[in-house]
Amino acid sequence: ETGVTQSPTHLIKTRGQQVTLRCSSQSGHNTVSWYQQALGQGPQFIFQYYREEENGRGNFPPRFSGLQFPNYSSELNVNALELDDSALYLCASSFGTLYTQYFGPGTRLTVL
Amino acid sequence: GENVEQHPSTLSVQEGDSAVIKCTYSDSASNYFPWYKQELGKGPQLIIDIRSNVGEKKDQRIAVTLNKTAKHFSLHITETQPEDSAVYFCAASLSNQFYFGTGTSLTVIP
Repeated sequence: ETGVTQSPTHLIKTRGQQVTLRCSSQSGHNTVSWYQQALGQGPQFIFQYYREEENGRGNFPPRFSGLQFPNYSSELNVNALELDDSALYLCASSFGTLYTQYFGPGTRLTVL
Repeated sequence: GENVEQHPSTLSVQEGDSAVIKCTYSDSASNYFPWYKQELGKGPQLIIDIRSNVGEKKDQRIAVTLNKTAKHFSLHITETQPEDSAVYFCAASLSNQFYFGTGTSLTVIP
């Protein structure tokens, strides 16, 4: 059984650019949640995808968008990057929306 | 939404001693409370969880207690070891969202 994987590991972008982060869910999991973790803080919920549909969203602007594919992998897209978007982006997968979430290693995004 | 507070922010213990981390939550509808351990440069790793219909759960050296009336839950680590050193996060689940505390940096001194 493979765990949650994320790519890339690190990414450097400049302000105003767009970025796409990818997540492969754990085998058998149909739900993916995305989180932003600023340095020294707990993860903040961005949104969740369940069976390819958005199933809840945190307090993030529309320039944060996502997608889930038929194999339940997922993408997080961020447009018009701002300096404050620099953070560790985590995805977590689960079997259903109310079950334990298992996290990937994260993507470290730096916006210059 | 839910508000989760976590204390202390830093904790140092001698190897072999116990460590206790406490969290409070605001919404009585929250029904699932996981604890995660995060090591430097890694994603959070689930170490134990508890649902609202249970008061206590134990897994070897780790235990979690939940007081629904007071809306607080605690992580207890006994016989601490240097490899327990990490940042620990509590979380509360409301609807389909997880709300995390701000983390506790635990240092176990050999």
